[in-house]
Amino acid sequence: DSGVTQTPKHLITATGQRVTLRCSPRSGDLSVYWYQQSLDQGLQFLIHYYNGEERAKGNILERFSAQQFPDLHSELNLSSLELGDSALYFCASSETGSTDTQYFGPGTRLTVL
Amino acid sequence: AQRVTQPEKLLSVFKGAPVELKCNYSYSGSPELFWYVQYSRQRLQLLLRHISRESIKGFTADLNKGETSFHLKKPFAQEEDSAMYYCALKARAAGNKLTFGGGTRVLVKP
Repeated sequence: DSGVTQTPKHLITATGQRVTLRCSPRSGDLSVYWYQQSLDQGLQFLIHYYNGEERAKGNILERFSAQQFPDLHSELNLSSLELGDSALYFCASSETGSTDTQYFGPGTRLTVL
Repeated sequence: AQRVTQPEKLLSVFKGAPVELKCNYSYSGSPELFWYVQYSRQRLQLLLRHISRESIKGFTADLNKGETSFHLKKPFAQEEDSAMYYCALKARAAGNKLTFGGGTRVLVKP
């Protein structure tokens, strides 16, 4: 078990709605990364936070936002949901964010109906 | 920009046969390469990283900078090796994000 936890495991919602996905990194890890896994796009990097600050953005839509809190947990907010947002959302954490390994959480499966 | 290519979407082998998963990358800097494995849409688990040069579950991978490849090999496949395998590249200049290949599904038949 890598120690990264994500809640909820599954989320079913309707188009136009807003959801929040939560990630708790491994103890001691300062970096949190969010990835989206979908059938058509594969695994795509969304955003990276280090010790509360945004470090890098990837293919993240403007309807999506994230933050990392002082206790280092992170939330990914998805709004105005569309059918195409249905995917598995993974969070990963690493100790610092440079050369260390990223450890992944179990993911949140989002289904937009 | 960096790119990772896994040309095979599916590899089907018999138990005990060798298996090789291809991974090619493009990146102008000095890359860090990883192999992750995902069983039945569960979390991704780190299998190998090139700087460790270790063997995990009988898998090995060698970084070939000349051919820009990081192929994953195992001499004798086992049924429990059936899973999705992702090659990934970390580019420090790009904020340490992982860029993943499209993945290769390995099916080991008894």
